[in-house]
Amino acid sequence: DQQVKQNSPSLSVQEGRISILNCDYTNSMFDYFLWYKKYPAEGPTFLISISSIKDKNEDGRFTVFLNKSAKHLSLHIVPSQPGDSAVYFCAASLDSNYQLIWGAGTKLIIKP
Amino acid sequence: EAQVTQNPRYLITVTGKKLTVTCSQNMNHEYMSWYRQDPGLGLRQIYYSMNVEVTDKGDVPEGYKVSRKEKRNFPLILESPSPNQTSLYFCASSFTRGRGNTGELFFGEGSRLTVL
Repeated sequence: DQQVKQNSPSLSVQEGRISILNCDYTNSMFDYFLWYKKYPAEGPTFLISISSIKDKNEDGRFTVFLNKSAKHLSLHIVPSQPGDSAVYFCAASLDSNYQLIWGAGTKLIIKP
Repeated sequence: EAQVTQNPRYLITVTGKKLTVTCSQNMNHEYMSWYRQDPGLGLRQIYYSMNVEVTDKGDVPEGYKVSRKEKRNFPLILESPSPNQTSLYFCASSFTRGRGNTGELFFGEGSRLTVL
């Protein structure tokens, strides 16, 4: 049973437009949510996180929104740039055991 | 430079031939972990370690062993590799949550293993 789901395997967006990546979860006890970015032949790198007590966190072009009632979070990238083309992983953390539960990833392609 | 270093980056081996993938971090992190990445499955945790001499199973530990004799090193051992262990492996490290960390992991560049 996947506790963290990224239902879109891939997403294609025009350069300069907004990219929205979605993530759904089932466990209401998750206390932190994180987004990681992964380029081919490299390890994932941390992008942005949000605590379960907040509904929005912003860092430059990246904003993460959390909707606890819907158990849904999204990553917005505005404006999208060619260097944003990568696989994005959503992950959730449980304070009780410090483990990260990962989604399957969404491949973002930014078209020039 | 702060980093997590894995070796080898690429390896082709045969069924049953024991191998070790090394992982070393220079950030004095307490927490270290091994993941495997397979298409459509995301990252699945194999083993993790909260500190020296403390290791525990993740979601997919079968066929793997680990040890944590020093804080900086966390090798992954495949005693008798099988073809279903063909995968991309990542080592990661972090400070523990007690230091206000939210779970941000630092990853190595990955080790692509093929078992024939």
